[in-house]
Amino acid sequence: NAGVTQTPKFRILKIGQSMTLQCTQDMNHNYMYWYRQDPGMGLKLIYYSVGAGITDKGEVPNGYNVSRSTTEDFPLRLELAAPSQTSVYFCASSYAGGPYEQYFGPGTRLTVT
Amino acid sequence: ELKVEQNPLFLSMQEGKNYTIYCNYSTTSDRLYWYRQDPGKSLESLFVLLSNGAVKQEGRLMASLDTKARLSTLHITAAVHDLSATYFCAVAPGGGADGLTFGKGTHLIIQP
Repeated sequence: NAGVTQTPKFRILKIGQSMTLQCTQDMNHNYMYWYRQDPGMGLKLIYYSVGAGITDKGEVPNGYNVSRSTTEDFPLRLELAAPSQTSVYFCASSYAGGPYEQYFGPGTRLTVT
Repeated sequence: ELKVEQNPLFLSMQEGKNYTIYCNYSTTSDRLYWYRQDPGKSLESLFVLLSNGAVKQEGRLMASLDTKARLSTLHITAAVHDLSATYFCAVAPGGGADGLTFGKGTHLIIQP
């Protein structure tokens, strides 16, 4: 059981480039989330999904897009990267909402220069 | 808008001492989570608190929740160096699938 996996671990982008951050979970969880963590700060929710084909915006969705075609995968797309998107990105999953805890992936450290 | 405030944000303490980290939140919620993060690592779940008066303990850490005061505490007993980390509290704003709102974290250093 790998849990939540993310690729890549590190990435440097130039301003204006695009990329997709991959997230996969093997726990058969319905709910998946993307957060970003800026230095010295807590995590902020970007997007979340309650099941395949269903996504919704979180607190800081601008500049990002998501899709959820399968239960296992929840990729995050950055279009036209900007320096403000330099951050560590964490994917998380949970069995459901309510009392179920979220399990976090190892993170992707992204630098935009 | 839900706000989550932790204090202190930074804490340096000696081994063997006791201390408490506080987490206040601004709107009604009955779900509060504590996570630990080591430098450069992901988040590790410590406690899930689901009701008023909930208390959970694991080793030298004990967490409690007072939903009426909108306050959770994480108490460290007889601290050891291995507990050095950043601790986050997070609150779920509603009963649905909304993600968590995190505090800024408490950076804890325990010196031998």
